[in-house]
Amino acid sequence: SAVISQKPSRDICQRGTSLTIQCQVDSQVTMMFWYRQQPGQSLTLIATANQGSEATYESGFVIDKFPISRPNLTFSTLTVSNMSPEDSSIYLCSVEDLMGRRTDTQYFGPGTRLTVL
Amino acid sequence: RKEVEQDPGPFNVPEGATVAFNCTYSNSASQSFFWYRQDCRKEPKLLMSVYSSGNEDGRFTAQLNRASQYISLLIRDSKLSDSATYLCVVREFTTDKLIFGTGTLLAVQP
Repeated sequence: SAVISQKPSRDICQRGTSLTIQCQVDSQVTMMFWYRQQPGQSLTLIATANQGSEATYESGFVIDKFPISRPNLTFSTLTVSNMSPEDSSIYLCSVEDLMGRRTDTQYFGPGTRLTVL
Repeated sequence: RKEVEQDPGPFNVPEGATVAFNCTYSNSASQSFFWYRQDCRKEPKLLMSVYSSGNEDGRFTAQLNRASQYISLLIRDSKLSDSATYLCVVREFTTDKLIFGTGTLLAVQP
């Protein structure tokens, strides 16, 4: 499996501000995803980060609120824009299909714990 | 109906006990199934894939019943370190996305 790191690991932010979360993988991967896990809930897919093109967003998530970049095959960012307390959550990136090798499922980064005051 | 449903628990069991979790899924066309483990304040980690014929990994046994659309996880000889939330995960056939259950909390008591 790949080694995935996320920065920051946690943050406390004021409402109305924005936070950019970074996800770095130690090997090239085909697929990268961003999930949200709200307190006491399971994981909800926000979007698929596509290398070199716009991300594909799930129902209920929009690019203006959660802009995503994926400049290469090992790195992606998720920005949580104009934050409100409802955005307090854990944000996780995950990867699938290490280049040249199909993986059966996804592997997750350690997550970013966000609290919005 | 939720796409993937699990009993949230908690399941409180003594060390050495055998415990089983079930999970049901709504899309009969789903093809791949997994159990993930999530420790408190940590990311989910793949515990095992679930194959049609059933599969075993040490103390853990996973089974799939396609006719009834449920997946099970059996843990034998529970250890304190097994305490975690167990997530049932199904890969959607049409979109290839992973759908996560809300998880079942297991607490193994000394």
